[in-house]
Amino acid sequence: EVQLVQSGAEVKKPGESLRISCKTSGYNFYTYWIAWVRQMPGKGLEWMGSIYFADSDTTYSPAFQGQVTISADKSISTAHLQWSSLKASDTAIYYCARGDTARGWFDPWGQGTLVTVSS
Amino acid sequence: DIQMTQSPSSLSASVGDSITITCRASQSIDTYLNWYQQKPGKAPNLLIYIASSLQSGVPSRFRGRGSGTDFTLTISSLQPEDFATYYCQQSFLAPPTFGGGTKVDIK
Repeated sequence: EVQLVQSGAEVKKPGESLRISCKTSGYNFYTYWIAWVRQMPGKGLEWMGSIYFADSDTTYSPAFQGQVTISADKSISTAHLQWSSLKASDTAIYYCARGDTARGWFDPWGQGTLVTVSS
Repeated sequence: DIQMTQSPSSLSASVGDSITITCRASQSIDTYLNWYQQKPGKAPNLLIYIASSLQSGVPSRFRGRGSGTDFTLTISSLQPEDFATYYCQQSFLAPPTFGGGTKVDIK
């Protein structure tokens, strides 16, 4: 069974750093992309960027370029999303999802990680 | 970026009804259009890809149609588990973009 299991909820203060993870299993992760998608409270879905496990090729939405870093650890088939300095406006649920291409349809999705940034 | 506009933003329907949700792209996207269902507190779930291909395990009452700029998702004979929010997403050009969502609730 294809599964994407994300790390747990986080509560952080503005200015702090954070890395969340997405552990993949049940398929050959080398041949797929992993996308990260943001959902702010009560809002829609926004694609942040995607990474290809085989060569760590990474592409970002212009809206998120420079704001976050997407990486992958092939040894543990896990993708990461990280911030160096969080803002209150980063409060959201972050989903990872498997994609056949960087921008293709996404299936399946992880369960989501709630990130709360508050002083 | 390609803008995706869904209509309506919400609708109320009864079990057994047939409903249609529309998604319009700001430029032609061929058939690179996907549909997702999201229930409260849950991750989105892929229903339809490439405009009309039904994802494995998705009931046949879900049907996607369209090409170019105009697309529809039709749910025939609504079931209680279909009350959710639906999103379209274009995968024609980077960055992939989503519609604003259509919330389907019980009348």
